[in-house]
Amino acid sequence: KAGVTQTPRYLIKTRGQQVTLSCSPISGHRSVSWYQQTPGQGLQFLFEYFSETQRNKGNFPGRFSGRQFSNSRSEMNVSTLELGDSALYLCASSLDRESGTQYFGPGTRLTVL
Amino acid sequence: GENVEQHPSTLSVQEGDSAVIKCTYSDSASNYFPWYKQELGKGPQLIIDIRSNVGEKKDQRIAVTLNKTAKHFSLHITETQPEDSAVYFCAASKGGSYIPTFGRGTSLIVHP
Repeated sequence: KAGVTQTPRYLIKTRGQQVTLSCSPISGHRSVSWYQQTPGQGLQFLFEYFSETQRNKGNFPGRFSGRQFSNSRSEMNVSTLELGDSALYLCASSLDRESGTQYFGPGTRLTVL
Repeated sequence: GENVEQHPSTLSVQEGDSAVIKCTYSDSASNYFPWYKQELGKGPQLIIDIRSNVGEKKDQRIAVTLNKTAKHFSLHITETQPEDSAVYFCAASKGGSYIPTFGRGTSLIVHP
């Protein structure tokens, strides 16, 4: 079974721009979570989607948003990019919301200049 | 909210030695504790996990122990190999939403 895929793998943007990242979960998985990973803050939870609905949201500004489609694929969007948004953005999928077992994708490395 | 402390931040061992990474958590309601291995340029990979109704779990050279009373859990790697070199993360989560809180990571270096 194919793992979690994320596109693009690398992205360079300038301040003020917006960006959309994509995640395809493992086939059959219905829950998708997004994380931001930086050397200074570690792994921080952004949001979780299940059945096309946002179920949980981390402590990030409204510039960070996401959505999930009926096929469980998910996108996250960051508007008005800031230098501090440079990070590795990770997507993780779970079969459901009860098992707790998450499988991560390779991440999208976002650099904001 | 939950707070997870992970030690040490860096661990250097010789090939064949054992390595132990320890984590403590603050929320006694947490009941699921996964461990992830992250190699350079890759996403975290789940290597082992344990639930609160189990005290120990083993998978080949990797084992995890959980002490609910003390609220700490540990990862044990025996007979370390150079390919074990990576950053290891512990996490804790509780029922319902199961959103994990991660430790800050341990960089394990195995010298040949």
